[in-house]
Amino acid sequence: GAVVSQHPSRVICKSGTSVKIECRSLDFQATTMFWYRQFPKQSLMLMATSNEGSKATYEQGVEKDKFLINHASLTLSTLTVTSAHPEDSSFYICSATSGEKLFFGSGTQLSVL
Amino acid sequence: QKEVEQNSGPLSVPEGAIASLNCTYSDRVSQSFFWYRQYSGKSPELIMSIYSNGDKEDGRFTAQLNKASQYVSLLIRDSQPSDSATYLCAGGGGSGTASKLTFGTGTRLQVTL
Repeated sequence: GAVVSQHPSRVICKSGTSVKIECRSLDFQATTMFWYRQFPKQSLMLMATSNEGSKATYEQGVEKDKFLINHASLTLSTLTVTSAHPEDSSFYICSATSGEKLFFGSGTQLSVL
Repeated sequence: QKEVEQNSGPLSVPEGAIASLNCTYSDRVSQSFFWYRQYSGKSPELIMSIYSNGDKEDGRFTAQLNKASQYVSLLIRDSQPSDSATYLCAGGGGSGTASKLTFGTGTRLQVTL
């Protein structure tokens, strides 16, 4: 299957700081990438759809000014959690479509102290 | 938003037995369905995709789809302890379209020795 690389895998930060998460498609071009969030023992919740060269489309209830998404190239999308707070602590996962299937990055566990 | 429902489990089966995981969905627009396996602290891994009514087999895995009953299942034959994980059912709109999947909450499978 296609490979989606995500970094960092784990980050611990202080409340009020910003954290950037990178998502790369390694062996294919992804015009569209997706960002999910998963709280413990809950399912994946789609946060936004990242489109190369255009603004991201956010799901209802997701603050676009807090979760900044940039999709500058066909292989890279970034999610920046601005002014992070403890309630933002979660597992963030990016994904990209290759053909008709969706592949996930390895995820980023964010812990905000 | 489409709704995908799964029994959270845990589903416990002995090693070597058949594990049967079930999923129902509420939106008839969903055309494509996917089963993902997620180990604790890891991102989901695609196991099977199914778009047409009937069965689809891949190794020890068989996916079954019944669009009239809005039901999709995953059978795991000769279950192994390494199959112990959470299995996520996901539905997407449009045949072969993997974008904007809606995930169930997942069923935790435990394969006992």
